[in-house]
Amino acid sequence: GAVVSQHPSWVICKSGTSVKIECRSLDFQATTMFWYRQFPKQSLMLMATSNEGSKATYEQGVEKDKFLINHASLTLSTLTVTSAHPEDSSFYICSARDGGVGELFFGEGSRLTVL
Amino acid sequence: ILNVEQSPQSLHVQEGDSTNFTCSFPSSNFYALHWYRWETAKSPEALFVMTLNGDEKKKGRISATLNTKEGYSYLYIKGSQPEDSATYLCAVNNAGNMLTFGGGTRLMVKP
Repeated sequence: GAVVSQHPSWVICKSGTSVKIECRSLDFQATTMFWYRQFPKQSLMLMATSNEGSKATYEQGVEKDKFLINHASLTLSTLTVTSAHPEDSSFYICSARDGGVGELFFGEGSRLTVL
Repeated sequence: ILNVEQSPQSLHVQEGDSTNFTCSFPSSNFYALHWYRWETAKSPEALFVMTLNGDEKKKGRISATLNTKEGYSYLYIKGSQPEDSATYLCAVNNAGNMLTFGGGTRLMVKP
């Protein structure tokens, strides 16, 4: 299957720091990428959908000024957690597809710990 | 928001046992159901995508069925092996294209 690479896989930062997470599709062009968050013992929750070259669509309850998403090319989307606080500590994972409603390919996930 | 539920939350079986678990979802506005296998420290891996009522898919020892009228899907693993240990996620697309995940079933297969 197609490969999606996510980086970094683990980040620890101080409160107030901004953290950028990258999601790359390595062998296909991802017209749509999705960002999810998973708190301990909870389901994966969709945060936002990003389409290349346009603004991301955020799910209800997700602050767009807090979680900045950029999808500037067909192979790269970034999620920036601005001024991170301990309650932002979570597992963030991206997925991508090259169109339609078909198979999603996931990154490896990024575990963020904010001290 | 769709309510997608998976049961059981976790499951311990002995090597060689066959097992199954459930994903239930609202049947209205259903579009597609996905099963993923997620091993620790790896990316979730797509197993099946199913859209039609009565669909049955099979990949090796793993198979899945779909009942869209009553809103459930079963995932079966025949002759479980230790390497089958993982979290199995189901996710449902509704007609609005939103994908909602269940909480997952964590399977542990003891040698």
